[in-house]
Order: sequence, then structure tokens, then C-alpha cells
Amino acid sequence: EIVMTQSPATLSVSPGETATLSCRASQSVNSHLAWYQHKPGQAPRVLIYHASTRATGIPARFSGSGSGTEFTLTITSLQSEDFAVYYCQQYSNWPLTFGGGAKVEIK
Amino acid sequence: QVQLQESGPGLVKPSGTLSVTCAVSGDSINNSIWWSWVRQPPGKGLEWIGEVYHTGTTNYNPSLKSRVSMSVDKSKNQFSLRLTSVSAADTAVYYCATSLPTTGYWGRGTLVTVSS
Repeated sequence: EIVMTQSPATLSVSPGETATLSCRASQSVNSHLAWYQHKPGQAPRVLIYHASTRATGIPARFSGSGSGTEFTLTITSLQSEDFAVYYCQQYSNWPLTFGGGAKVEIK
Repeated sequence: QVQLQESGPGLVKPSGTLSVTCAVSGDSINNSIWWSWVRQPPGKGLEWIGEVYHTGTTNYNPSLKSRVSMSVDKSKNQFSLRLTSVSAADTAVYYCATSLPTTGYWGRGTLVTVSS
């Protein structure tokens, strides 16, 4: 199976600043990479698919980049509602696999 | 708007069978969508369990394959997960979702605790 590794595990950021999250795949997933935002008690919400395409209704401050094995999620001008856990997921090969998650917390 | 709603037993005894159902509203389960189950143990990350198509075709995570089965009930527009021989390690919030993030529909999850 493809192992997804996220870094850092926790990121402390002040509101208004930029958060940069990384995701590495153990083998190429081409651009079959998605990013999810997850808050306690809620359903995970897809932010980005195909590595860089924003899902419907996702603000432009969320952007994704990368291909192959290295991916990045950038959140600019962090808002209070952006503090959450973020997961990357590859859907190139079965089984679908998620990264371990990255918590963006208020500094 | 598509909505997914999980329902489950809440509590299952060790060595028993866990059964969770996902009701789909706002779309037909017969559409060309793969339907997935994902779980999240307390304090841990997300784990993909497997997926089912409206034809009954399935793909399972090899780590759970020997204990998992999934099915579709077209008459009720819902799909189900069955996990046998459960242990405390299977305690988790179980989510139903569409497999591909291009659709990206998820339920809010149902907590299933395995305990005697």
C-alpha cells in the first residue's frame, strides 16, 4: 500500500498568517491527491482534489500544489474557522490511504 | 444536495459483529458512484475500510479484508458495512462517504464502541 506521510504533525500559527502543510507519498500517485479539513464532531470536508483543484465553495485562501510524491497545502490569511486537522489522501491505488493528519492550532 | 446519514448499534461485544448502515438522500445509490466506509479510532487518524458499487462490486482494505463485507440495498437507497470478530481495536467513529473527492460527500459519523 502507498504510505502517506504528513509534516509537521502540529503547526502553531497566528490568525492572519500563512500555514504550509506537506504530504509525501511512498510512491508516485500522479495528481490523485486530495486534502481534507476535519473538525471534532463534524464530517471531514474536501478542500482540494487532483492535487490543486479547489472543491466547490472552498475559499481561494486554500491552495494545493505538487505531483508525484510531494504535495503542499497552503492556507493564507488564516481565519479562526481554519484551525482544524488536515489530512491528505491518495486515490491513485487501492487501498485508498490517508496521511496521519496535521493539526493547525492557534499560536 | 446529497446527504449521508450513518446509523449503528453504538455498542458491540468483543468477538461479535458490527453492522453500520448509511442512508443516502438527494441522489440515487444507482448512480456511477463508489460508496466508501472510513473509520477513525479515538485520538487517531482516518483509515479507509473499503468501498461498494451499486452492482455489489467491492474493494476492501487488505488489512481488514478477512472480516469485512459491504452491500447495497437499492430499495432503501442505502449501503451497509459488516465487520466480524470485533475487538477493542475496532472502536471508532465510522463514516460513510463517496470514494472520490471529486464528489466528496461524507456523513457525520457514528461512534461504535466494542466493549463487554
